[in-house]
Amino acid sequence: GEDVEQSLFLSVREGDSSVINCTYTDSSSTYLYWYKQEPGAGLQLLTYIFSNMDMKQDQRLTVLLNKKDKHLSLRIADTQTGDSAIYFCAEYSSASKIIFGSGTRLSIRP
Amino acid sequence: GAVVSQHPSRVICKSGTSVKIECRSLDFQATTMFWYRQFPKQSLMLMATSNEGSKATYEQGVEKDKFLINHASLTLSTLTVTSAHPEDSSFYICSARDRASNPAYYGYTFGSGTRLTVV
Repeated sequence: GEDVEQSLFLSVREGDSSVINCTYTDSSSTYLYWYKQEPGAGLQLLTYIFSNMDMKQDQRLTVLLNKKDKHLSLRIADTQTGDSAIYFCAEYSSASKIIFGSGTRLSIRP
Repeated sequence: GAVVSQHPSRVICKSGTSVKIECRSLDFQATTMFWYRQFPKQSLMLMATSNEGSKATYEQGVEKDKFLINHASLTLSTLTVTSAHPEDSSFYICSARDRASNPAYYGYTFGSGTRLTVV
């Protein structure tokens, strides 16, 4: 079945890089996403990657995909206080649904 | 860009009453909308897939008689929580698929969510 897993919490110092990891099970996933959710708000699509790509960079965000291991990561460079949020990894499944991980709560310490 | 409006953003209701949540695509036509429920410990669970003009497809374990979904037009889907109980209190989020674009490419568009509290 479809399953997406992430660690629940990550704490980083302001200015450092944050790396959020995710594993998924559906090997037929064609697209993988990272969403951001701020407190009390809906989900904002941060970035996506096609399954035939290994890496995608967009300003401070770098997505790495290891399709063999079904592992996805999001790196946020120079983490700022405004990056505090819950980050969801998600996959576009073979059933045309988007399946989410449990979310990683990123907190920034001074 | 594509916008999905979800209403209300917050609702408090008494146990035993029903609550309707609306999800509207404002500038695009959505043949498919999805309803998610977010639990207190963050996880986002897909409840059902709503297709315009046909019955919704519910995920395993979701009570279709409890969570009524109607997708009567290409821009509106509603979720009605019937005979609500305190355990139904949660954050409900809808998302919509623009029929004119590649949905996977855009990852769908999400509403801002509805916080339901049943007292």
